[in-house]
Amino acid sequence: DTGVSQDPRHKITKRGQNVTFRCDPISEHNRLYWYRQTLGQGPEFLTYFQNEAQLEKSRLLSDRFSAERPKGSFSTLEIQRTEQGDSAMYLCASSLSQPNTEAFFGQGTRLTVV
Amino acid sequence: AQKITQTQPGMFVQEKEAVTLDCTYDTSDPSYGLFWYKQPSSGEMIFLIYQGSYDQQNATEGRYSLNFQKARKSANLVISASQLGDSAMYFCAMNPRGAGKSTFGDGTTLTVKP
Repeated sequence: DTGVSQDPRHKITKRGQNVTFRCDPISEHNRLYWYRQTLGQGPEFLTYFQNEAQLEKSRLLSDRFSAERPKGSFSTLEIQRTEQGDSAMYLCASSLSQPNTEAFFGQGTRLTVV
Repeated sequence: AQKITQTQPGMFVQEKEAVTLDCTYDTSDPSYGLFWYKQPSSGEMIFLIYQGSYDQQNATEGRYSLNFQKARKSANLVISASQLGDSAMYFCAMNPRGAGKSTFGDGTTLTVKP
């Protein structure tokens, strides 16, 4: 297993378009997280899954954002009707579900909305 | 709610010297975990070290050690014998025991001078 992988690494889109990002976690990890990181800030939690169940969503996550993990393996994050404020790095991480185990992060998808 | 404060936006250290990066936290949960991550310019978050709130001893991992002072709610990272490759952004994070998501600070940029 090569770790958490995210695709694409970079995405430039026009305002109003929809975008979808993919995350493939470490195979034995049953938890998967999405974070958003803007320049000069730490990652902000968006949502997380345990297996295929979405257990928590941040209030930051507007109705334009949706995430899925249909078979408890890979996950997708979709942003509809993108806005310039959506420009950020979107980080995916995975972990085991034991308490206080570290999360392993992917390299992120950098989204630029023009 | 949890909060992480990293008061040093930027730090400089001479190669081969030790450096301490500060982190204070606020939580009402009796059990929690504290983490440090390194984020080089490539963007990937790399796990460095973990400290559980009930751990009696400070965590150490190679050149990294965590100076945990529970009464002060601080979890400072100490890097010994700094190397040029240590230049990166460093994030302190925490999550309550059993909770999926982590709360991150805004990071400290460390620059190691030759």
